[in-house]
Amino acid sequence: NAGVTQTPKFRVLKTGQSMTLLCAQDMNHEYMYWYRQDPGMGLRLIHYSVGEGTTAKGEVPDGYNVSRLKKQNFLLGLESAAPSQTSVYFCASSTDRGGTEAFFGQGTRLTVV
Amino acid sequence: DAKTTQPPSMDCAEGRAANLPCNHSTISGNEYVYWYRQIHSQGPQYIIHGLKNNETNEMASLIITEDRKSSTLILPHATLRDTAVYYCIVREYSGAGSYQLTFGKGTKLSVIP
Repeated sequence: NAGVTQTPKFRVLKTGQSMTLLCAQDMNHEYMYWYRQDPGMGLRLIHYSVGEGTTAKGEVPDGYNVSRLKKQNFLLGLESAAPSQTSVYFCASSTDRGGTEAFFGQGTRLTVV
Repeated sequence: DAKTTQPPSMDCAEGRAANLPCNHSTISGNEYVYWYRQIHSQGPQYIIHGLKNNETNEMASLIITEDRKSSTLILPHATLRDTAVYYCIVREYSGAGSYQLTFGKGTKLSVIP
């Protein structure tokens, strides 16, 4: 039981390049989330999904797209990376019930130069 | 915006109890209070959650006031490994059966030898 796994763990991109971050969970959770964390800040929600085939915008969605084609996977895409997207990205998953906890991955450190 | 207010930092002597306060004066009746912590730059780790009653698990205790407008996380015997940023979160209902976890800046707890 791996929990929430993020790939890659580290990446350096040039401005304008594209990439996809993968989040996989093996807990059969309905909900999945993508957050970003900038230095000295808390986590800010980018996009989230309440089930396979559905996605919704969070607090800071601009410049990102997501897809949830399979229940266990939640993909975060950057079509044209910008230096402002340099951050640590965390994925999380949870059940659809309000009284349960969310589980987080270990993060992806992305640097855009 | 986060619905909670926490002090930015606290110190605690090793072996003593750490009491971390949180104000959530606008909490609604069906919203849970969650506590997570983030050690260095790892993914957030779930600690405990509660609705109305006080809760205890192997990591901590959660004391929620009767009016539910504030709570306190108690680490009974703090160790150096408890040094982390602690986040108090109210799990918000954001429509369509989804529950967002909105992070503030948290409290940086430093356990001192």
